[in-house]
Amino acid sequence: DVKVTQSSRYLVKRTGEKVFLECVQDMDHENMFWYRQDPGLGLRLIYFSYDVKMKEKGDIPEGYSVSREKKERFSLILESASTNQTSMYLCASIPGWGQPQHFGDGTRLSIL
Amino acid sequence: AQKITQTQPGMFVQEKEAVTLDCTYDTSDPSYGLFWYKQPSSGEMIFLIYQGSYDQQNATEGRYSLNFQKARKSANLVISASQLGDSAMYFCAMREVLSGSARQLTFGSGTQLTVLP
Repeated sequence: DVKVTQSSRYLVKRTGEKVFLECVQDMDHENMFWYRQDPGLGLRLIYFSYDVKMKEKGDIPEGYSVSREKKERFSLILESASTNQTSMYLCASIPGWGQPQHFGDGTRLSIL
Repeated sequence: AQKITQTQPGMFVQEKEAVTLDCTYDTSDPSYGLFWYKQPSSGEMIFLIYQGSYDQQNATEGRYSLNFQKARKSANLVISASQLGDSAMYFCAMREVLSGSARQLTFGSGTQLTVLP
């Protein structure tokens, strides 16, 4: 079974802090994704990566950056956290075309 | 325009009855895939069922089936014989294969299903 692991289930940070959310998958998937989930809005794509060191902006990249130095790890970075980034963050990976995305358990991030 | 529309923010169903969760989509891409995911209160996203735009038959997976009406651009999820454990948020999602965003999914806003004992 594919395992997508997010480093924290719950995280509380302060405004202005630099925040790192880590995601690791164990199945050598090329494509990895970061979403945020807000009530009434569903999941919105922040960034995705289709190979090491390759990334593309999703629908809402502002205020975020990503890092993919190794194939199994995809990090989401909040450069200077703000209260409007309080949300649920979900990481996903996919082996190839037409396959369903495998999700991590999510990180509930609160910015105070 | 919304690419994926789920018009039911919340639904209730009696245990053991069937329920249909609505999903309509908007795309000009002739090749696309439609997915349904379940998200229990614990937060993990669980893949349920997939329908390709060229599939001739409606997808089925155990108690889940997809009522795919291509001309109407709808892909409703049908859950038969509801169980208490089916209570969760359900998301419809689409991948457009030929467009520039072929790798990503576009999600609807979700439907919160509550199964009543």
